[in-house]
Amino acid sequence: QSVLTQPPSASGTPGQRVAISCSGSSSNIGSNFVNWYQHLPGTAPKLLIYRDNQRPSEVPDRFSGSKSGTSASLAISGLRSEDEADYYCATYDDSLRGPVFGGGTKLTVL
Amino acid sequence: QLQLQESGPGLVNPSETLSLTCTVSGGSVKSSTSYWGWIRQPPGKGLEWIGTIYYSGTTYYNPSLKSRVIISVDTSKNQFSLELSSVTAADTAVYHCAHGGGGGYCYSTSCYAHWGQGTLVPVSS
Repeated sequence: QSVLTQPPSASGTPGQRVAISCSGSSSNIGSNFVNWYQHLPGTAPKLLIYRDNQRPSEVPDRFSGSKSGTSASLAISGLRSEDEADYYCATYDDSLRGPVFGGGTKLTVL
Repeated sequence: QLQLQESGPGLVNPSETLSLTCTVSGGSVKSSTSYWGWIRQPPGKGLEWIGTIYYSGTTYYNPSLKSRVIISVDTSKNQFSLELSSVTAADTAVYHCAHGGGGGYCYSTSCYAHWGQGTLVPVSS
């Protein structure tokens, strides 16, 4: 059971906007920055969002992050077939004294 | 561009020690602002942080694995390593090495800007 809760799956059609949620608590999301990763099995995970809503220069602006209280969200607009992957949220947990990941959300582009 | 590559045995017997090495290219493990981590993914499950090491040698481990884990840096080979002792089938996973800090996007150990593609380590007799 992951400390951070994500829906196991999400889906959308090309061009749509989808959002993936990540729920935590005051000891993790509520007091630390959230990061998001995109992962295709067999490849290196890719950092999509850091510090809640910052995007590395190589990441398209179709990807955006937000946070409110003890929950965070990753939004993908203009969905493309190549966005089909697993998405993970991650943050630091003050109680566990270490990073924690969400269980991951498998995004399917229909 | 910093690149990471994991290497190690393809199979580990139960109760033995799993040893993996991460070779760093395009950067240096001696970077005083960088941190280096190991993260694993058991089959069908999500990512799990194992531990992180700074160039200073300071280490941080997942409390659930702390008694079995050692992470170290070899500056002469520009590598860092993972040792996980007394393994069981539950330790079967794809093991990734990763980098954060170094003046880049990340400064918290939950943030890694560079990852290796991972290596599958089955634990089985």
